Amino acid sequence: AQSVAQPEDQVNVAEGNPLTVKCTYSVSGNPYLFWYVQYPNRGLQFLLKYITGDNLVKGSYGFEAEFNKSQTSFHLKKPSALVSDSALYFCAVRGADRGSTLGRLYFGRGTQLTVWP
Amino acid sequence: KAGVTQTPRYLIKTRGQQVTLSCSPISGHRSVSWYQQTPGQGLQFLFEYFSETQRNKGNFPGRFSGRQFSNSRSEMNVSTLELGDSALYLCASSLVDGEKGWGYTFGSGTRLTVV
Repeated sequence: AQSVAQPEDQVNVAEGNPLTVKCTYSVSGNPYLFWYVQYPNRGLQFLLKYITGDNLVKGSYGFEAEFNKSQTSFHLKKPSALVSDSALYFCAVRGADRGSTLGRLYFGRGTQLTVWP
Repeated sequence: KAGVTQTPRYLIKTRGQQVTLSCSPISGHRSVSWYQQTPGQGLQFLFEYFSETQRNKGNFPGRFSGRQFSNSRSEMNVSTLELGDSALYLCASSLVDGEKGWGYTFGSGTRLTVV
């Protein structure tokens, strides 16, 4: 079975501080992992993905994520947060089983990130 | 390069009516999938189409249906609308068919309100 957990509904950080948004996953087979960001009344914007290769993945807007297979985690990070980073962040895993799950994304519940000035 | 286009952006419908939403994927993308987003249930998969064939379907009642045309544009239809169908409906397109892990590009969504 495929699933994603984002244990924190909200993350608050001060501008200029590092931020981490946590994600753990469960998937049969090799995980294909994604992070998306959503601004109010908008769709999902792609930030980064892990398919294979280096465990540290760099993405858009200075974000990066670290894939940890032993801990089944894929935490999103940024060294220095900006107020404009405030948004809703979703972690997702692509289904790997043949049949009904291949090609669909399983999303976490989302984490609301607030960066205050 | 144009992104994923969803129309209309906003819809208000009455209970019992039906509605059709449209999604035009990025040129060259053949896979289109649909998701429903609500505050209570989060993002839930509706269905995925590839080359005019529905490949996957989520756990939604038969009132939710879709199709894909030869130009890869997709439509989803909801019949006999219920208040609980109020949601943001998101469409995503993928370059190949998802098997190689290509990213999914999402549209801005259609906000459906059922009154």
